[in-house]
Amino acid sequence: EPEVTQTPSHQVTQMGQEVILRCVPISNHLYFYWYRQILGQKVEFLVSFYNNEISEKSEIFDDQFSVERPDGSNFTLKIRSTKLEDSAMYFCASSEWGVAFFGQGTRLTVV
Amino acid sequence: GESVGLHLPTLSVQEGDNSIINCAYSNSASDYFIWYKQESGKGPQFIIDIRSNMDKRQGQRVTVLLNKTVKHLSLQIAATQPGDSAVYFCAENVNAGGTSYGKLTFGQGTILTVHP
Repeated sequence: EPEVTQTPSHQVTQMGQEVILRCVPISNHLYFYWYRQILGQKVEFLVSFYNNEISEKSEIFDDQFSVERPDGSNFTLKIRSTKLEDSAMYFCASSEWGVAFFGQGTRLTVV
Repeated sequence: GESVGLHLPTLSVQEGDNSIINCAYSNSASDYFIWYKQESGKGPQFIIDIRSNMDKRQGQRVTVLLNKTVKHLSLQIAATQPGDSAVYFCAENVNAGGTSYGKLTFGQGTILTVHP
């Protein structure tokens, strides 16, 4: 069964450093998303991406965040200068049209 | 110190019982709803979805009911099993012109614990 895959599963970084979280969406999907979940809290929308551009973003997705689809299979989230409060699980998701299917997440720990 | 997170509603049931998990959604313009299951350390896993032009949809062992009048969604799990133990989230979506599919607003979640 096709699935969304994310790497790495766990990333530890120092405050102020840049991180890139990687995702391979399901191959025939057209819509791609990043969500995050701070420990013990609900899942929050960050950004959606369609037709090679951002279609929507939340207030959380400020100038330190960017997304890219560098080739036909990968979808990345870059955090330019990490802060302690960026520590969370980051989930990539993709959809063909309706249901969004989620990856297993990358746990980002900023120290 | 700062609170770690939300105080989630919990539901404890015995194996074999039926479970009902409730969700109040916020946006009257939402037209698509999904239930997700999240096990510890994993991503949300799709269970069942329903569009706003329906009030009931059934899957395998699961039923979703939608009451748009009171903005309420419920998930019924028949013959609950220990493997159903997880956090269950409802999520809502407003399909604004087709580009917002997947922009989901999640509820706070309910912890379901199934005792053998």
